[in-house]
Amino acid sequence: AQKITQTQPGMFVQEKEAVTLDCTYDTSDPSYGLFWYKQPSSGEMIFLIYQGSYDQQNATEGRYSLNFQKARKSANLVISASQLGDSAMYFCAMREGRSGAGSYQLTFGKGTKLSVIP
Amino acid sequence: DVKVTQSSRYLVKRTGEKVFLECVQDMDHENMFWYRQDPGLGLRLIYFSYDVKMKEKGDIPEGYSVSREKKERFSLILESASTNQTSMYLCASSLGGVGTDTQYFGPGTRLTVL
Repeated sequence: AQKITQTQPGMFVQEKEAVTLDCTYDTSDPSYGLFWYKQPSSGEMIFLIYQGSYDQQNATEGRYSLNFQKARKSANLVISASQLGDSAMYFCAMREGRSGAGSYQLTFGKGTKLSVIP
Repeated sequence: DVKVTQSSRYLVKRTGEKVFLECVQDMDHENMFWYRQDPGLGLRLIYFSYDVKMKEKGDIPEGYSVSREKKERFSLILESASTNQTSMYLCASSLGGVGTDTQYFGPGTRLTVL
């Protein structure tokens, strides 16, 4: 079974509108972290936002917020007021709280391609 | 700001060649990672290192080896390149320890094996 599922291969959003990118995860660890990265066409992966499994509040970073629903195992990224520069691939990733060296690994979803329309 | 650099943005090699991909980070991070990225498959971990001279296999280590002689440098080696190793290779580093431990990525190397 996939540990990270991103069900939207591609999405379109009008400039200045908000958009939600879906991410569901699967883990039996009580301690885990969820990350979102942006990858523009240039190729570099850019860290956007992090949510820990024990965090009481949803994470926010500027125009990015993470809608964390623990019982549903979902960690959706919300981008407010979309800009043309937001057009990119977006990846959801999870780090599980395993012991030892395994705790450093990130598991990535397959990504969602977001296109912002002027 | 964290800076992760990779030796080449684009590389073209021939089947059977030995290929070295270099990655350097300047933030004294403990952990370094090598991923490959293929369309429709996302990022897959090849190898990672949590200390100098220490390495751990990731999900797809076959056909690759790594070297970490200095803390800031992590090399990925393709002993005998094959066409199925044509891919985008991404290096990352993280501080280590508990907590967020965000991975920061380099710009990537797009490798073509002919």
